[in-house]
Amino acid sequence: KNEVEQSPQNLTAQEGEFITINCSYSVGISALHWLQQHPGGGIVSLFMLSSGKKKHGRLIATINIQEKHSSLHITASHPRDSAVYICAETSGSRLTFGEGTQLTVNP
Amino acid sequence: EPEVTQTPSHQVTQMGQEVILRCVPISNHLYFYWYRQILGQKVEFLVSFYNNEISEKSEIFDDQFSVERPDGSNFTLKIRSTKLEDSAMYFCASSGEPRTDTQYFGPGTRLTVL
Repeated sequence: KNEVEQSPQNLTAQEGEFITINCSYSVGISALHWLQQHPGGGIVSLFMLSSGKKKHGRLIATINIQEKHSSLHITASHPRDSAVYICAETSGSRLTFGEGTQLTVNP
Repeated sequence: EPEVTQTPSHQVTQMGQEVILRCVPISNHLYFYWYRQILGQKVEFLVSFYNNEISEKSEIFDDQFSVERPDGSNFTLKIRSTKLEDSAMYFCASSGEPRTDTQYFGPGTRLTVL
């Protein structure tokens, strides 16, 4: 059974801090996704990666296929980054989601 | 920028009633999905749909659920006889090839079963 685990569950940071959210998965995958869920509920895809590293603005995602581990980093965090960050794996045509990490960035 | 749209944004129904949730995927996408998120829980896969048939479905997607692409633009999820535990946010998504392409999510329909 595919399992996706994230840590931490909750994370509070001060504006400007460097943030790391971790994700581990249990089986071979075709791709790993990082998504952002806003307080209103909407889900936005941030990254899809199957190897190496991707960067978009202040966000960086990395994946280690051998260790079945991925990280999402946010540099120079800002209160508008406050949201739930979700890791999900693609297996077949479905996404299997982690529980999400609630990030709060205080000014 | 193209986006996935869903209607209604909020649906309230009585237990035992049928509901149809509607989605308009991005026009050149080939795969369509329904997910649900019960309040306070993680997002769960329900079903994927490709080439006018179900590609994959989860154990949640039992005989009470059905999906349809009735025309060239809409993608619907029908729940035949709603239960209290069907209360959740339902998200539609669409993509190109799922192994290589990002899934784009709609804003969701909040279903409340009374």
